[in-house]
Amino acid sequence: AQKVTQAQTEISVVEKEDVTLDCVYETRDTTYYLFWYKQPPSGELVFLIRRNSFDEQNEISGRYSWNFQKSTSSFNFTITASQVVDSAVYFCALTKPQTGANNLFFGTGTRLTVIP
Amino acid sequence: NAGVMQNPRHLVRRRGQEARLRCSPMKGHSHVYWYRQLPEEGLKFMVYLQKENIIDESGMPKERFSAEFPKEGPSILRIQQVVRGDSAAYFCASSLGLANTDTQYFGPGTRLTVL
Repeated sequence: AQKVTQAQTEISVVEKEDVTLDCVYETRDTTYYLFWYKQPPSGELVFLIRRNSFDEQNEISGRYSWNFQKSTSSFNFTITASQVVDSAVYFCALTKPQTGANNLFFGTGTRLTVIP
Repeated sequence: NAGVMQNPRHLVRRRGQEARLRCSPMKGHSHVYWYRQLPEEGLKFMVYLQKENIIDESGMPKERFSAEFPKEGPSILRIQQVVRGDSAAYFCASSLGLANTDTQYFGPGTRLTVL
């Protein structure tokens, strides 16, 4: 069974601080994909990143970086020099590539508040 | 607008009425997914469709809920005889459907309120 755990329900940081959002997943599959989505206060879901299970290279995109570690089944997300616009709920998700069944399993989300 | 479109954005229904939620996928996408987000919770998968076919409806309640994705027109999620527990945000996502590995892009969601 697939499961995604985001243990941090809410995090508050002061603007310009760095913040890391944790994501731990469970799967029996050797091939899988991990995602991060952002849900700002306006409510839509914005795709941030996809990572496949064979690629453990960390990725950086501007102020965002992702640390994928298969040994600990974690896919953590770090925002450097946070800004007020980063305030949102962030979801980690997992999919099992399988013919006819590649729906996403979501964690419960982490609500990030960046205080000016 | 090349993104996933959903309408209406907000829908209010009284108990016992029907709710119809529409989703137009991104241009070129032939796979559609519906998810439900209850207040303060993550998204839960409901149903996965390709044109004219339901591929996986394992997450959809057996009664009152149905979904379709006709050859022409948007995908429709239909909830009959709504109850207060159906109040939620319903998100549609679409993808290219390439080899089970492609990315799902989400619409803005429909917020359903049942009075």
